[in-house]
Amino acid sequence: DTGVSQDPRHKITKRGQNVTFRCDPISEHNRLYWYRQTLGQGPEFLTYFQNEAQLEKSRLLSDRFSAERPKGSFSTLEIQRTEQGDSAMYLCASSLPTGTGRATNEKLFFGSGTQLSVL
Amino acid sequence: AQSVSQHNHHVILSEAASLELGCNYSYGGTVNLFWYVQYPGQHLQLLLKYFSGDPLVKGIKGFEAEFIKSKFSFNLRKPSVQWSDTAEYFCAVNPRHQAGTALIFGKGTTLSVSS
Repeated sequence: DTGVSQDPRHKITKRGQNVTFRCDPISEHNRLYWYRQTLGQGPEFLTYFQNEAQLEKSRLLSDRFSAERPKGSFSTLEIQRTEQGDSAMYLCASSLPTGTGRATNEKLFFGSGTQLSVL
Repeated sequence: AQSVSQHNHHVILSEAASLELGCNYSYGGTVNLFWYVQYPGQHLQLLLKYFSGDPLVKGIKGFEAEFIKSKFSFNLRKPSVQWSDTAEYFCAVNPRHQAGTALIFGKGTTLSVSS
C-alpha cells in the first residue's frame, strides 16, 4: 500500500454530467500530482500542487477541468460537462522532494486511480 | 518538448529468459530517470531510479538499469525473468532544470512471461 488513497475507484456517468474525484496523499508529502492514463498509453500529466498552490497545469487540462487542494492536504479534481473522450484512469501521486533547483530529487508515489467511464 | 520513447510495445518471454527494455528520452539537460511497474490490477510502483552517481542502478526484484548519457538512454534489464514479472513497465524522466517539473512518462511496455 503506497498510502495515496483515491475515491471512488470507479465512476460511471452520462455525458454532460459533472464528476468529482478525491485524492488523499501521503500525509507528510507537500506535492500532489494529477495524471490521466488511457489504454495503451503512459500517464499524462494534468496538474500539480505544492502545498495548496497549483503551480503547473498541462495544456491537456481544458477549462472543464478544475483541481483544488484547499488546505494543502487532500485534493479534488472536477470535470464539468463530461465528454466520452474524458473516459480514462485518473491517477493521483504525491511526493516530498529533497534538495532544491538542479539538485532536486523527487520520487512519486501513486494511488490506485479512479476509472472514469463516460457513456 | 521533452519526450520519452519506449521502443517495445509488447514483449513476450519464457521464464528464465533475459530481459532488456529500451528507453530513450529527449532532453539536453540534467535529468532524473525512473522505471515504474504496474502489475495487473495494481497501482504504479517505483522499480528503480537514477538521480546521480553510479550510472548502473539496481532496483527491486533483481531489476537494474543503466544510464548512458551520450545515448540519452536508460534501459531496464533483468538476467532471468519470472512469471510474476508479467506487468506493464513505464520509463519516466524528470528534467532537473527547475524544481517542480512534472514527471514525463513513456507509453509503456507490456511484458508477458510464460511459465
